[in-house]
Amino acid sequence: SAVISQKPSRDICQRGTSLTIQCQVDSQVTMMFWYRQQPGQSLTLIATANQGSEATYESGFVIDKFPISRPNLTFSTLTVSNMSPEDSSIYLCSVGGGSGTVSYEQYFGPGTRLTVT
Amino acid sequence: AQSVTQLDSHVSVSEGTPVLLRCNYSSSYSPSLFWYVQHPNKGLQLLLKYTSAATLVKGINGFEAEFKKSETSFHLTKPSAHMSDAAEYFCVPGRQAGTALIFGKGTTLSVSS
Repeated sequence: SAVISQKPSRDICQRGTSLTIQCQVDSQVTMMFWYRQQPGQSLTLIATANQGSEATYESGFVIDKFPISRPNLTFSTLTVSNMSPEDSSIYLCSVGGGSGTVSYEQYFGPGTRLTVT
Repeated sequence: AQSVTQLDSHVSVSEGTPVLLRCNYSSSYSPSLFWYVQHPNKGLQLLLKYTSAATLVKGINGFEAEFKKSETSFHLTKPSAHMSDAAEYFCVPGRQAGTALIFGKGTTLSVSS
């Protein structure tokens, strides 16, 4: 299994500012995923980050708001830009892998709890 | 594509009594299924996974799930609940390798003393 760390673990930010969340994995992985979990809700996929290419965003999420970097096979960042209180959520980094037609499990970081005031 | 339905949004049990969290799946074609747990203010942890190798799957912390094709179910069970089992539980269908898991609404398990 992969061990994932995220920084910061939590932050309180003012509206209009930006926050960059870092995700570090203890092994090389092809795919990394970023999720958002709004208060009391389930996880929503923001984007898939493949090393060496542009991230693929899900419907409702755009690169200008959530730019993602994937400089190598063990690291990724997600920036939440021009924040508003609606961005208050837990942001989770996840990695997976596998081959063939059967998906393998994903492992999740501890999350970054963001509060925007 | 495989999809799941968690039949209960909230389950309450007393400590020491059995736990049953229900999950039905939509397609028996080459399914892989996972149960994840999220404790309050914590990240997600994989409880167990089914990938066609065995119908009864044992996971961590005494949990197990049985894949029942006749009932299209993959219910999560534990013989005796512990206070530390109070958490949110997600039944998640597997997807093609390289694609992200999609989470639906989970089941909140409350355990009373």
